[in-house]
Amino acid sequence: AQSVTQLGSHVSVSEGALVLLRCNYSSSVPPYLFWYVQYPNQGLQLLLKYTSAATLVKGINGFEAEFKKSETSFHLTKPSAHMSDAAEYFCAVSAPGGYQKVTFGTGTKLQVIP
Amino acid sequence: DTEVTQTPKHLVMGMTNKKSLKCEQHMGHRAMYWYKQKAKKPPELMFVYSYEKLSINESVPSRFSPECPNSSLLNLHLHALQPEDSALYLCASSQEGGLAGFNEQFFGPGTRLTVL
Repeated sequence: AQSVTQLGSHVSVSEGALVLLRCNYSSSVPPYLFWYVQYPNQGLQLLLKYTSAATLVKGINGFEAEFKKSETSFHLTKPSAHMSDAAEYFCAVSAPGGYQKVTFGTGTKLQVIP
Repeated sequence: DTEVTQTPKHLVMGMTNKKSLKCEQHMGHRAMYWYKQKAKKPPELMFVYSYEKLSINESVPSRFSPECPNSSLLNLHLHALQPEDSALYLCASSQEGGLAGFNEQFFGPGTRLTVL
């Protein structure tokens, strides 16, 4: 079984500051890992995904994440926060094959302070 | 067209009503999903359809009845719901991943359901 843990249900950063959202995973097989973003009253949008290729994954909107097997982590970063980054961010895990069953973390709400 | 559409955007229903949620995609995806999302919680998988056949039912109560009439359409029929069923219902679709890898799930904007 696979699971993810997101540390911090709420993160506040100043505009222009580094964004760091933490995610640790648990998986009995090499996992696929994802970060999704959800803006208020909208569906989820995939930011980036790790599928066992490069360990440093670049996504949309300037976000990136690094897969660290030794730390079982997949933290999301962005060098400089923008007001439009304020949203809910979900880390998610899936096992290869099967019917693409994705398990989401509990989410981190990012607040960007002007 | 990389869009998943859902109708209606909002739905209010009584516990004795019968209503349906609709989801549509024209990306040629053969896997479609229903998720339930309560406020301040992550989405929870309800059903997965693969090639128009139900492949996963996450022990969802029978008052929720999914239907996949064709490869582009996914419905969720609702009957005798409870107030605790009030949530955002999200539809998603993806290419079939099989054993080769993962394919991105594209989400619709959701239907906000309120059960009175």
